[in-house]
Amino acid sequence: DGGITQSPKYLFRKEGQNVTLSCEQNLNHDAMYWYRQDPGQGLRLIYYSQIVNDFQKGDIAEGYSVSREKKESFPLTVTSAQKNPTAFYLCASSPRGGSFNEKLFFGSGTQLSVL
Amino acid sequence: RKEVEQDPGPFNVPEGATVAFNCTYSNSASQSFFWYRQDCRKEPKLLMSVYSSGNEDGRFTAQLNRASQYISLLIRDSKLSDSATYLCVVNQGGAGSYQLTFGKGTKLSVIP
Repeated sequence: DGGITQSPKYLFRKEGQNVTLSCEQNLNHDAMYWYRQDPGQGLRLIYYSQIVNDFQKGDIAEGYSVSREKKESFPLTVTSAQKNPTAFYLCASSPRGGSFNEKLFFGSGTQLSVL
Repeated sequence: RKEVEQDPGPFNVPEGATVAFNCTYSNSASQSFFWYRQDCRKEPKLLMSVYSSGNEDGRFTAQLNRASQYISLLIRDSKLSDSATYLCVVNQGGAGSYQLTFGKGTKLSVIP
């Protein structure tokens, strides 16, 4: 079945540590996105990518980095510079990106917590 | 700052009731509108797009009022399974661009 796979489901980070969240899709979608969700808050965009080898900062990119070396993969690294990383992270994709009527398809999320 | 505002609720309604949520947006150039449903600690899933003429899908009706810059979601004959958080999503980037803004969500609890 086609879809978006995020791993791990739960992740714990120690102080000063970088961690990487995986996101893979087999929907052949061009665009991929990373969102952060805090309790009682809306989703906030961290980074997005509309094509391979290109990505753009979202509203809260500081302390995060991404790469898009393959169409199907868009990993997110939470660096030690992100001082408040505890949140629910959601990866999403859409067929083309940049189209105003695009619908998003989400992965099941990764809950990141700080030890 | 371009905002999308929702009443956080919770809305506690009995089974069979009709409930309506509103969502306001700040950018008059917004082109597309959606309602997503999110269960606790799960990913959001598209419930329905919102079209200018209004649209209906079974017990769910979505409407858009461009003059007042709000969209609404009406749920008729509420079921226990409708309990979830409903997210209003607006593309505020204008035609041909991407700038999805999510509301904080409205929580619905349907009570037996």
